[in-house]
Amino acid sequence: GENVEQHPSTLSVQEGDSAVIKCTYSDSASNYFPWYKQELGKRPQLIIDIRSNVGEKKDQRIAVTLNKTAKHFSLHITETQPEDSAVYFCAGLYNFNKFYFGSGTKLNVKP
Amino acid sequence: NAGVTQTPKFQVLKTGQSMTLQCAQDMNHEYMSWYRQDPGMGLRLIHYSVGAGITDQGEVPNGYNVSRSTTEDFPLRLLSAAPSQTSVYFCASSPSRDTAGANVLTFGAGSRLTVL
Repeated sequence: GENVEQHPSTLSVQEGDSAVIKCTYSDSASNYFPWYKQELGKRPQLIIDIRSNVGEKKDQRIAVTLNKTAKHFSLHITETQPEDSAVYFCAGLYNFNKFYFGSGTKLNVKP
Repeated sequence: NAGVTQTPKFQVLKTGQSMTLQCAQDMNHEYMSWYRQDPGMGLRLIHYSVGAGITDQGEVPNGYNVSRSTTEDFPLRLLSAAPSQTSVYFCASSPSRDTAGANVLTFGAGSRLTVL
């Protein structure tokens, strides 16, 4: 099966700074890597995703990079704002149907 | 569209009781899945389905049963609840992998279950 490890578990940044969260996966057969944001008491919501045939994807202040050789992918948030404060989860899709999630990163953006 | 609807939002059970968590989606998604979320452990896949009549086990299936008689509904059954099943449960669906938006999960609001 798959295993997804996520670091750090908590991250505190000053408003306007950048934040980077990293994940590694174990199974080279995984081919889809989404990132979800979960605000306190809410459901997870997709913020960005990347497929294995792409190395980088950007959406405004958010970007994801994928290194298939090293089996790791990262979430980059630039110009952080207080509303970016939440828990972020990475995931890998194994065998087309099984999602394995990282343990989450609690991001705190200080005004 | 309501998206993914889960009921109940909260439930307290005694050890050994059974119950069913309901999940319904109105987006005609082929793929549906159940996760449990425990502190510090992210989301773990319990069971999933790729279409009506087809289900399979995820990462943590023990103690849970599912069925998929229609495209819209995917209930999760706890046959004999244990304190270890105290958790927040999320249902999620997505279009099939050959369609636009494939693999993008839409989550329900969650069901908080406490087993005493």
